Amino acid sequence: GESVGLHLPTLSVQEGDNSIINCAYSNSASDYFIWYKQESGKGPQFIIDIRSNMDKRQGQRVTVLLNKTVKHLSLQIAATQPGDSAVYFCAETLIAQFYFGTGTSLTVIP
Amino acid sequence: NAGVTQTPKFRVLKTGQSMTLLCAQDMNHEYMYWYRQDPGMGLRLIHYSVGEGTTAKGEVPDGYNVSRLKKQNFLLGLESAAPSQTSVYFCASSPLSGTSFYNEQFFGPGTRLTVL
Repeated sequence: GESVGLHLPTLSVQEGDNSIINCAYSNSASDYFIWYKQESGKGPQFIIDIRSNMDKRQGQRVTVLLNKTVKHLSLQIAATQPGDSAVYFCAETLIAQFYFGTGTSLTVIP
Repeated sequence: NAGVTQTPKFRVLKTGQSMTLLCAQDMNHEYMYWYRQDPGMGLRLIHYSVGEGTTAKGEVPDGYNVSRLKKQNFLLGLESAAPSQTSVYFCASSPLSGTSFYNEQFFGPGTRLTVL
């Protein structure tokens, strides 16, 4: 199977600070890279995606950066809020299949 | 719209028993997926479907079967449950690939299955 991994399993940040969650991937042929957020007891929720021919995409308070040279993906959350506390997964798609990483648990300290 | 719903929410089985998990979506999505999520791990794709009447194997298909007889429903079957199938199962759906929202999979709330 495909290998999608995260550098850090846990991350704690102060409320109001920016958060950066990192992800490594292995397949250069993937079509898209996606970030999902999963709150406790719920299913994952789509945050943002980026096509493989792009290197940056911005959403509301989130930015995804793609570095194809080193096969690295990151999610930046601006002005982190308590509601951002969750597990964040990166995923890559290849021919309608999605491959998820193991997740990073983000804790926001009030 | 209810989105993606899963039935049941919880289930306990004995080794060797069979059961079917039901996933339903009311968004007219073409693609549907079944994942399992184990503690400390990401989601792993079991089977998926790109349209009514079609199914395909994902990353971990052994011990599971699926059917997509109606566009809105995707069934996951366990013929002879094993303790290794204890997990949380998530169903998801998404629009047709090539659309701007293809990657926005919508997930159900999950089914927590324990096999004793």
